Amino acid sequence: KAGVTQTPRYLIKTRGQQVTLSCSPISGHRSVSWYQQTPGQGLQFLFEYFSETQRNKGNFPGRFSGRQFSNSRSEMNVSTLELGDSALYLCASSRASSGNTIYFGEGSWLTVV
Amino acid sequence: ELKVEQNPLFLSMQEGKNYTIYCNYSTTSDRLYWYRQDPGKSLESLFVLLSNGAVKQEGRLMASLDTKARLSTLHITAAVHDLSATYFCAVDEIQGAQKLVFGQGTRLTINP
Repeated sequence: KAGVTQTPRYLIKTRGQQVTLSCSPISGHRSVSWYQQTPGQGLQFLFEYFSETQRNKGNFPGRFSGRQFSNSRSEMNVSTLELGDSALYLCASSRASSGNTIYFGEGSWLTVV
Repeated sequence: ELKVEQNPLFLSMQEGKNYTIYCNYSTTSDRLYWYRQDPGKSLESLFVLLSNGAVKQEGRLMASLDTKARLSTLHITAAVHDLSATYFCAVDEIQGAQKLVFGQGTRLTINP
């Protein structure tokens, strides 16, 4: 059974640019969530999607956005990149209801220079 | 605002010893997750605890949940070097949706 797949794995961007990260959840999983991990702030929730609808959003500026497609695949976008956006971005998927195991992908390492 | 606190944040121990990592959280929830992260890697799910008094064990690791005390523990028995990693607890904040609030992580180093 394939796990959560994230692309690209590594990328370097310049300040002011934008970036799009992609996530394919485990087959049958309809909930997809995104997290940012940095040494200073730890793991922080970005947003969660279910059936193409954003159900929850974390405390991040509007430059961070996402969407989910009908096949449950998800993308997140960060516009006008700042140095502080350098982080590991993790996508997670689970079945619909609470209490199910939440599986994480390998992550996308973003460096902003 | 839900807060999740782990202690200790750093733990160095010898092989063969036992130790416990504590995870306190600030609001009522009965959905508690434990993850392991190796350097440069993603999060590996260890346990999902869903009710007061829940106890789960896998190999040398055992996790428990006390929802009344808002406390979960991860107990390591007879540690081995392969268990060296960072361990995170996380609380699912919202019933019916997936929004994990993570602790700071406990960096565990097990020395031969």
